[in-house]
Amino acid sequence: DADVTQTPRNRITKTGKRIMLECSQTKGHDRMYWYRQDPGLGLQLIYYSFDVKDINKGEISDGYSVSRQAQAKFSLSLESAIPNQTALYFCATSAASGQPQHFGDGTRLSIL
Amino acid sequence: AQSVSQHNHHVILSEAASLELGCNYSYGGTVNLFWYVQYPGQHLQLLLKYFSGDPLVKGIKGFEAEFIKSKFSFNLRKPSVQWSDTAEYFCAVKGNFNKFYFGSGTKLNVKP
Repeated sequence: DADVTQTPRNRITKTGKRIMLECSQTKGHDRMYWYRQDPGLGLQLIYYSFDVKDINKGEISDGYSVSRQAQAKFSLSLESAIPNQTALYFCATSAASGQPQHFGDGTRLSIL
Repeated sequence: AQSVSQHNHHVILSEAASLELGCNYSYGGTVNLFWYVQYPGQHLQLLLKYFSGDPLVKGIKGFEAEFIKSKFSFNLRKPSVQWSDTAEYFCAVKGNFNKFYFGSGTKLNVKP
């Protein structure tokens, strides 16, 4: 089983719809992250959380929200999706400070 | 603000050629440095990491990287690439507040 699981793997939806991407992990890590990947731009940090009560904005948080329901679960929401949010979204986890991140398989999101 | 620059966006090599991918970062504090690889259709996987000590770091699959503090660089190298090394490579830095910053990636295409 994957250590970091993202659902769904692919999603096509329409402008204005609300979408939730889910991430769960079995690694026991406290730190969880959401990134989006666009061609030529690498990974951009959307939100990150160091524990259940700690949520922080990343570089491109506008238009997104998150919920850390438990240590193992971190969901990303698009309240009203727009086409320029079409991207590949990755969830990642890490253990202590500075430790490497472990990535999920990604969610490919297309907004028409 | 911290940033990571990867100047080579697309590299094409023949098998057995040597590889060097550049990575420069802007951050004056203590850094943790990483190289990740993303094979087509897959998630990012850790290749190697530098925290402290010997500036020449060896990773998996024959890759290595050298941390040169005076140049703010952490270049990735491999003496002889294989077709299976075709992938996208990302340099990352852990900076302030335990946030990770990724470069825009370098696509490596190895011709058999």
